[in-house]
Amino acid sequence: DSGVTQTPKHLITATGQRVTLRCSPRSGDLSVYWYQQSLDQGLQFLIQYYNGEERAKGNILERFSAQQFPDLHSELNLSSLELGDSALYFCASSVSLAGYNEQFFGPGTRLTVL
Amino acid sequence: AQKVTQAQTEISVVEKEDVTLDCVYETRDTTYYLFWYKQPPSGELVFLIRRNSFDEQNEISGRYSWNFQKSTSSFNFTITASQVVDSAVYFCALSEEAQGGSEKLVFGKGTKLTVNP
Repeated sequence: DSGVTQTPKHLITATGQRVTLRCSPRSGDLSVYWYQQSLDQGLQFLIQYYNGEERAKGNILERFSAQQFPDLHSELNLSSLELGDSALYFCASSVSLAGYNEQFFGPGTRLTVL
Repeated sequence: AQKVTQAQTEISVVEKEDVTLDCVYETRDTTYYLFWYKQPPSGELVFLIRRNSFDEQNEISGRYSWNFQKSTSSFNFTITASQVVDSAVYFCALSEEAQGGSEKLVFGKGTKLTVNP
């Protein structure tokens, strides 16, 4: 158990819908990352927040957005969903921004878009 | 841009065999960090090791060992006397320091290891 929690574990929805994925980082970790794992693209970095502020963006679609709240939990919002958005979405946390800090991953949310 | 290549898509071995998973990376930075993660069938990503670009010492942890060679930009992972529980997908990843102190992990495509009894 990494200490990072993600809810829900599974999500099944239809095209065009909007969903919210939630992540609670490890106690004491200020940095939260979101990654998408799909068969086509592998594991890809989406976005990072540090202490409530966005710090880095990766291959995140404009239909996707995220935020980190004062209690440090984070939410990833996916809208106008398409079949290709079906994937495993991971949240990770680390204690700081520094690259030497290992990122601890949550169990993931498996999103299926029908 | 940084890149991580894991050329072995799938490897199948018999229990107790030794197996090496290859990882080759590309980066223009002089300071960077390399990681290995394990993804068992249950799906979670488990951190295994971190290595920084200034430390080329090999590391051993039980049956696991890592060989970092800057000259060949490789960070290979060896499992000695493999066990069925080692069956998983293994990812090599690269982290680079960026302006403002932020960073991200760039992952290879992963190597699926199957250890047969």
